[in-house]
Amino acid sequence: AQSVAQPEDQVNVAEGNPLTVKCTYSVSGNPYLFWYVQYPNRGLQFLLKYITGDNLVKGSYGFEAEFNKSQTSFHLKKPSALVSDSALYFCAVRVSGGYNKLIFGAGTRLAVHP
Amino acid sequence: GAVVSQHPSWVICKSGTSVKIECRSLDFQATTMFWYRQFPKQSLMLMATSNEGSKATYEQGVEKDKFLINHASLTLSTLTVTSAHPEDSSFYICSARLTGADSPLHFGNGTRLTVT
Repeated sequence: AQSVAQPEDQVNVAEGNPLTVKCTYSVSGNPYLFWYVQYPNRGLQFLLKYITGDNLVKGSYGFEAEFNKSQTSFHLKKPSALVSDSALYFCAVRVSGGYNKLIFGAGTRLAVHP
Repeated sequence: GAVVSQHPSWVICKSGTSVKIECRSLDFQATTMFWYRQFPKQSLMLMATSNEGSKATYEQGVEKDKFLINHASLTLSTLTVTSAHPEDSSFYICSARLTGADSPLHFGNGTRLTVT
């Protein structure tokens, strides 16, 4: 079965420090991976995606993610966290076939403290 | 570009009534739209895939007679929660994709439904 796991319910980091939000996946075939961010009572905003090519993907708001095929991981990173980065982050994988729907991980709440 | 508009942003209704939620792609055509449901502090659960001009495809466990989906045009999909009950209270989010399987989904801002 295809799935996405985000092992951490919450990540706490001080402003200015680097942050990592973890994601691992299980898919058949080549993975199409995505990161989204959600602010309270809002829909999701697209941050970045990995389809093919360089393992380090750069996205919006200074975020980047590293694809690691051997570890089946796609961790989200940012070199220097901002308080405004505090939000709920979702990793997603495309399910091949049909309508190419996305399945989401459980989400990780990022709290950046001043 | 790629803006998805969802309306209303919140709605309160009484048990037994029906509620319609609209999802529009404002600057692109969407053959396929997706409806998700999100419970408090939980992830998004895909309810159904909405297809323009044909019947929606529902995920296992989702009652199609309860959650009616109509995708009448390339820019509009609607979700109607029929005979709503308090357990239907949730955050409903629609999304759409530009053409291409590797294109990201673009999400509406969601609808907070409260059934009293």
